[in-house]
Amino acid sequence: DSGVTQTPKHLITATGQRVTLRCSPRSGDLSVYWYQQSLDQGLQFLIQYYNGEERAKGNILERFSAQQFPDLHSELNLSSLELGDSALYFCASSVEGVGRTEAFFGQGTRLTVV
Amino acid sequence: DAKTTQPTSMDCAEGRAANLPCNHSTISGNEYVYWYRQIHSQGPQYIIHGLKNNETNEMASLIITEDRKSSTLILPHATLRDTAVYYCIVLNYGGSQGNLIFGKGTKLSVKP
Repeated sequence: DSGVTQTPKHLITATGQRVTLRCSPRSGDLSVYWYQQSLDQGLQFLIQYYNGEERAKGNILERFSAQQFPDLHSELNLSSLELGDSALYFCASSVEGVGRTEAFFGQGTRLTVV
Repeated sequence: DAKTTQPTSMDCAEGRAANLPCNHSTISGNEYVYWYRQIHSQGPQYIIHGLKNNETNEMASLIITEDRKSSTLILPHATLRDTAVYYCIVLNYGGSQGNLIFGKGTKLSVKP
């Protein structure tokens, strides 16, 4: 158990819909990262938050947004869903940036868009 | 961040040492070498990291060449549970803006 909790574990929804994925980081970790893993793309970095502020952006679509709340949990919002958004979405947390300490990953949310 | 090159796949017999190579010829002086692994569809798991000295922990050893252009992750006694994709990542020792960029990694298959 990494200490990072992601909910829900599985999500099935229709095209055009909007969903919210939730991540609770390890106690004391200030940084939260979101990754997408689809079959043909591998692990793709989406976005990083540090203590409530956006710090780095990767290949995140405009239809996707994220935020980190004062209690440090984070949510990833995916809207106008397409079939291609079906993937595993991982959240990770670390005390600071991963250049200083290791990152701990949750078990992921499997999103299926039908 | 420097790019890394890893073999696509490797096999290892159970109980033997697994040696996973990684080339990072463009690494700069302030970049660390990190290793993570991902067991089928689970979240990636941190293994070890180092700058220039060899490192060892309860999971593995990391050997970095003197010129720092390549490294080897060693799992001393591989078990079936070590079957996973192993990622070698080079990363700035930055502050909160650091992030992990995963390549395709090496798929290690440990066979009985």
